[in-house]
Amino acid sequence: DAGITQSPRHKVTETGTPVTLRCHQTENHRYMYWYRQDPGHGLRLIHYSYGVKDTDKGEVSDGYSVSRSKTEDFLLTLESATSSQTSVYFCAISLGLEQYFGPGTRLTVT
Amino acid sequence: RKEVEQDPGPFNVPEGATVAFNCTYSNSASQSFFWYRQDCRKEPKLLMSVYSSGNEDGRFTAQLNRASQYISLLIRDSKLSDSATYLCVTLSGTYKYIFGTGTRLKVLA
Repeated sequence: DAGITQSPRHKVTETGTPVTLRCHQTENHRYMYWYRQDPGHGLRLIHYSYGVKDTDKGEVSDGYSVSRSKTEDFLLTLESATSSQTSVYFCAISLGLEQYFGPGTRLTVT
Repeated sequence: RKEVEQDPGPFNVPEGATVAFNCTYSNSASQSFFWYRQDCRKEPKLLMSVYSSGNEDGRFTAQLNRASQYISLLIRDSKLSDSATYLCVTLSGTYKYIFGTGTRLKVLA
């Protein structure tokens, strides 16, 4: 157990609204990641962080922003949710080279 | 072409059978390799890292073939509880983890 929690676990929101997902870790890991998982695709990296206030874009970052003001929290914001952002979102940390995942947030945009 | 390719399955095998999955990757700069297991509607969980010399963990054996750019996972004496989707993952650089779409395994009683 890498001590990763995500909130909310489920959310339904309307197109055009902003949404923030939270990833919280308790073990002071430096690297944190946000992925989305969709049928027919492997997990795809949205953004990652290599320290407080240090973030960078991943493969599918359009429409998403992140913030990391504390080591333990990595926030993912959908600035104006669209139906194409309906997905399962996983947060991860890396310990050495190995990644460990949070339980996921199931987001539906109607 | 996807960077990491896996047969989606499903592989339906009886309890006690031996089953093997392969995964091919296209990026020759990939340095590290992993197998994850994912149960339905759950997060991926690390099953094992894959080392150049191959490695074994109980009933699970992983092999890496850099020349042909594939990794494999062998499961011996399959259990019902092994039913899951198995994800192949490569890492190049510091953060570039590439995930396959997974191979579904169903172990039948």
